[in-house]
Amino acid sequence: QKEVEQDPGPLSVPEGAIVSLNCTYSNSAFQYFMWYRQYSRKGPELLMYTYSSGNKEDGRFTAQVDKSSKYISLFIRDSQPSDSATYLCAMSAYQTGANNLFFGTGTRLTVIP
Amino acid sequence: NAGVMQNPRHLVRRRGQEARLRCSPMKGHSHVYWYRQLPEEGLKFMVYLQKENIIDESGMPKERFSAEFPKEGPSILRIQQVVRGDSAAYFCASSRLQSQETQYFGPGTRLLVL
Repeated sequence: QKEVEQDPGPLSVPEGAIVSLNCTYSNSAFQYFMWYRQYSRKGPELLMYTYSSGNKEDGRFTAQVDKSSKYISLFIRDSQPSDSATYLCAMSAYQTGANNLFFGTGTRLTVIP
Repeated sequence: NAGVMQNPRHLVRRRGQEARLRCSPMKGHSHVYWYRQLPEEGLKFMVYLQKENIIDESGMPKERFSAEFPKEGPSILRIQQVVRGDSAAYFCASSRLQSQETQYFGPGTRLLVL
């Protein structure tokens, strides 16, 4: 079983739609949760960073973490064609000496004008 | 404020050759991480370094792969005697501190082994 599971999609939505992206994980030690956006042939770009359970909002983006269910989500409101990219969830336990991120496989999103 | 820089952006090698990938972290960052992204797969952690120290190399293949982050200059990921299965995108990330710090990624080096 992979430590982080993410539906690879692809996911296509019309412009203006609300997008919901999700990941599940198995390691209860994960405490820090991130969403990265990766455009084709580019490096991942940090979108959201949250600690433990709860919600965090930044503009059109909302990140949710439910540690009891080991489930995280990213919502994109009023989606735009420029949001078309691959979205990667990542998480870490950030223990001393073990600082690496565990990534999902990414969900490819296309927003159709 | 320059971000994480990686070079070369594209690298073509024949089987058996050596590949050297370089990474310069963001200004003020002293922690460097290397990840590999295979086609249709997520990023996989390889190694975590601080200046002159390898902190965690649990994701590095046991043979042919090595990494360093010298006191001066960029971090280097070295792959000896490359094979076709080494073809992938290699990303470097950096952070300012170790704990609770986000990692910022470079544009990656795409290695193609012929």
